[in-house]
Amino acid sequence: EAGVAQSPRYKIIEKRQSVAFWCNPISGHATLYWYQQILGQGPKLLIQFQNNGVVDDSQLPKDRFSAERLKGVDSTLKIQPAKLEDSAVYLCASSLGAYTGELFFGEGSRLTVL
Amino acid sequence: AQTVTQSQPEMSVQEAETVTLSCTYDTSESDYYLFWYKQPPSRQMILVIRQEAYKQQNATENRFSVNFQKAAKSFSLKISDSQLGDAAMYFCAYRSAFVVMFTDKLIFGTGTRLQVFP
Repeated sequence: EAGVAQSPRYKIIEKRQSVAFWCNPISGHATLYWYQQILGQGPKLLIQFQNNGVVDDSQLPKDRFSAERLKGVDSTLKIQPAKLEDSAVYLCASSLGAYTGELFFGEGSRLTVL
Repeated sequence: AQTVTQSQPEMSVQEAETVTLSCTYDTSESDYYLFWYKQPPSRQMILVIRQEAYKQQNATENRFSVNFQKAAKSFSLKISDSQLGDAAMYFCAYRSAFVVMFTDKLIFGTGTRLQVFP
């Protein structure tokens, strides 16, 4: 079974530029998560989708971050404009459904903002 | 709000020996789940073991076991017969058992980096 796919693996940008990350979850997984992992910290949930609807985006900095999950499958996370403090690994995860199963994580997308 | 604390930034163990990683948490909820995740360098995070708070029996998965002390809000991970492949970052995580608008976010600690020496 294919795992959670993420791209790009690495991205370096200047502050105030924009960046987008893509995630393709495991086939059939209804729930998709984006977590932000800053160096030295544990991952923090940015947004959770149930199919193509948002169920939790309380910690998403909405003035600069946006995310969508069209057709309830793959998802993109965008940052515009980027700040230095956005340097982090962005982890995508998926599960069969909220509270119903184990989370499967992708390898992450490492963002460096200069 | 719930918090998870891992007070050991780094730990090391000799191959074949046993090591225990510590985790404490704070919550006012009575029902919840606790997890240990392993994150090898540049690889995806994987679930090691999970514990339901309503279960008194400690969870075990092969060489991995937990010591769950609900009253003390403590959840340590014991790795027996350590192997070189166990070297990774280990995260303790909490999840509420109460369903609120389908959100089931994990709250992570800051992690413990485990080194395994031959």
